[in-house]
Amino acid sequence: GAGVSQTPSNKVTEKGKYVELRCDPISGHTALYWYRQSLGQGPEFLIYFQGTGAADDSGLPNDRFFAVRPEGSVSTLKIQRTERGDSAVYLCASSIRARNEQFFGPGTRLTVL
Amino acid sequence: SQQGEEDPQALSIQEGENATMNCSYKTSINNLQWYRQNSGRGLVHLILIRSNEREKHSGRLRVTLDTSKKSSSLLITASRAADTASYFCATDADTNAGKSTFGDGTTLTVKP
Repeated sequence: GAGVSQTPSNKVTEKGKYVELRCDPISGHTALYWYRQSLGQGPEFLIYFQGTGAADDSGLPNDRFFAVRPEGSVSTLKIQRTERGDSAVYLCASSIRARNEQFFGPGTRLTVL
Repeated sequence: SQQGEEDPQALSIQEGENATMNCSYKTSINNLQWYRQNSGRGLVHLILIRSNEREKHSGRLRVTLDTSKKSSSLLITASRAADTASYFCATDADTNAGKSTFGDGTTLTVKP
């Protein structure tokens, strides 16, 4: 079956703009995760969904970041008023439920000029 | 700061040799996972070991977990050039279901 997909694969935007990053998890996976990874570092947890609800959003750096998963499947990570420091690879993962192996998508490379 | 810390940061070996990477963490965990990443993009899950387990195997991979020392090791036997990648450990704490905390990884280079 299909793995986790993320679109776009690359996004270049200007400082101050709004961006949306999309994640399509594996069908039937109830848990969905967003991470951010900078060069030379490990993934940094942002938010975790169990079904439609955000079960843990403690990793979101500030209120410019928001994520939704309205139907318990596809999720969108939204970043308002982007800053150069937001440049990173944004990774999405899903698992059949929490505390199980996570399957990662290929990531979206965000560049804020 | 990251919960898991891998050691060493970089490791270079010859094909056929064994590679051992270590991970230390700080808080009580529910499980620990090892991932591989090529070219800085998507991660591939290797092994998940739960806090009540001490050792798991998968092919050429062996993972151990010592909860008293808050540490884990990943052993790759008979390494191949294709094993060249970054390896990360990630922990799920007892108290935060779903929140995985990654270290900064070990970069493994296997020379043919």
